[in-house]
Amino acid sequence: DSGVTQTPKHLITATGQRVTLRCSPRSGDLSVYWYQQSLDQGLQFLIQYYNGEERAKGNILERFSAQQFPDLHSELNLSSLELGDSALYFCASSVGLAVNTGELFFGEGSRLTVL
Amino acid sequence: AQSVAQPEDQVNVAEGNPLTVKCTYSVSGNPYLFWYVQYPNRGLQFLLKYITGDNLVKGSYGFEAEFNKSQTSFHLKKPSALVSDSALYFCAVRDPMTTDSWGKLQFGAGTQVVVTP
Repeated sequence: DSGVTQTPKHLITATGQRVTLRCSPRSGDLSVYWYQQSLDQGLQFLIQYYNGEERAKGNILERFSAQQFPDLHSELNLSSLELGDSALYFCASSVGLAVNTGELFFGEGSRLTVL
Repeated sequence: AQSVAQPEDQVNVAEGNPLTVKCTYSVSGNPYLFWYVQYPNRGLQFLLKYITGDNLVKGSYGFEAEFNKSQTSFHLKKPSALVSDSALYFCAVRDPMTTDSWGKLQFGAGTQVVVTP
């Protein structure tokens, strides 16, 4: 158990809908990262938050947004969903700002299916 | 820009035989390199890292990796594979010279390892 909790584990929704994925980092970790894993794109970095502030942005669509709350949990909001958004969304956390140690702790993911 | 390549989609090995999973990278400076493993229906787990120092890095579960700067490679190895090593393995790189990527690890496409009894 990595200590990172993601909910829901599975989510099925329709095109055009909006969903929210939730992540609780390991106790004491200030950085939260979101990754998308799909068969065609592989593992793609979406966005990073550190202590409530956005710190790095990757291949995140404008239809997607995220935030980190004062209690350090994070939410990834996906709107106007398309079939191609079906993927496994991972949250990871680390202690500090920079990924110098490289050790990210991953949750078990939220599998999103868009029908 | 940083990138990482895993040239093999799948590696098949018999239990007890040596296991090698290949990874090559491209960064502008000295790389930070990592290996992660993903078991079915689970998140990624950190195996090992190379930041600086000894080119041979030892990690979890008996795995090790060798950093080769001239060949820009960071191959993962295990002397004697177990059936339980069957999983998806990801190589990742971070370019420490790129300050706008503090949070971003660039992952390879992954290599499926199948260890047969």
